[in-house]
Amino acid sequence: GNSVTQMEGPVTLSEEAFLTINCTYTATGYPSLFWYVQYPGEGLQLLLKATKADDKGSNKGFEATYRKETTSFHLEKGSVQVSDSAVYFCALTENAGGTSYGKLTFGQGTILTVHP
Amino acid sequence: SAVISQKPSRDICQRGTSLTIQCQVDSQVTMMFWYRQQPGQSLTLIATANQGSEATYESGFVIDKFPISRPNLTFSTLTVSNMSPEDSSIYLCSVQTDTWRTEAFFGQGTRLTVV
Repeated sequence: GNSVTQMEGPVTLSEEAFLTINCTYTATGYPSLFWYVQYPGEGLQLLLKATKADDKGSNKGFEATYRKETTSFHLEKGSVQVSDSAVYFCALTENAGGTSYGKLTFGQGTILTVHP
Repeated sequence: SAVISQKPSRDICQRGTSLTIQCQVDSQVTMMFWYRQQPGQSLTLIATANQGSEATYESGFVIDKFPISRPNLTFSTLTVSNMSPEDSSIYLCSVQTDTWRTEAFFGQGTRLTVV
């Protein structure tokens, strides 16, 4: 079956520090990969996505590259802000013949706290 | 994207009772899903809500405990039956707008506490 493994957290950084959250996956086919973010007391928001190997997803200064050879999709940001404090989830969904199944498999989540 | 409204946003319930959570989408969508997020944990898929037929449940989840309805392409309900404190979780509705779009969108969630 499919699985997603995220680096152990929580992660605590000072404002303007560099962020990396590691994510690796196991999938039987060619999944699409996602990062979702959950701010305190809120639902999940899609942060970025990549649908094929070597694709780079980016949004709000965050980036992640779909690496098929290492089955990874690490999240990076060059300079974090206090407002980035949230829980980050790496996830995948299976696809077949151009159709997405829509069901997501999530990693454990990484709590990010950014201090001023 | 899609605008997804979940009701209620939170509730405190007595053990042994049932709660029905509603998920309303502002447009017709192909797929609707229900997830559970236990305290401090990741999200686990409960079931796929199928329009006009019985939901498809994931391993470990059964219809008697989590009956699901989906009468049309914009609405679904999840009932948490005969609740116990272990059912205290956030329950989230998710939708996929088209089968060719890989991403899914989420409602704000229902925070359930069972006492």
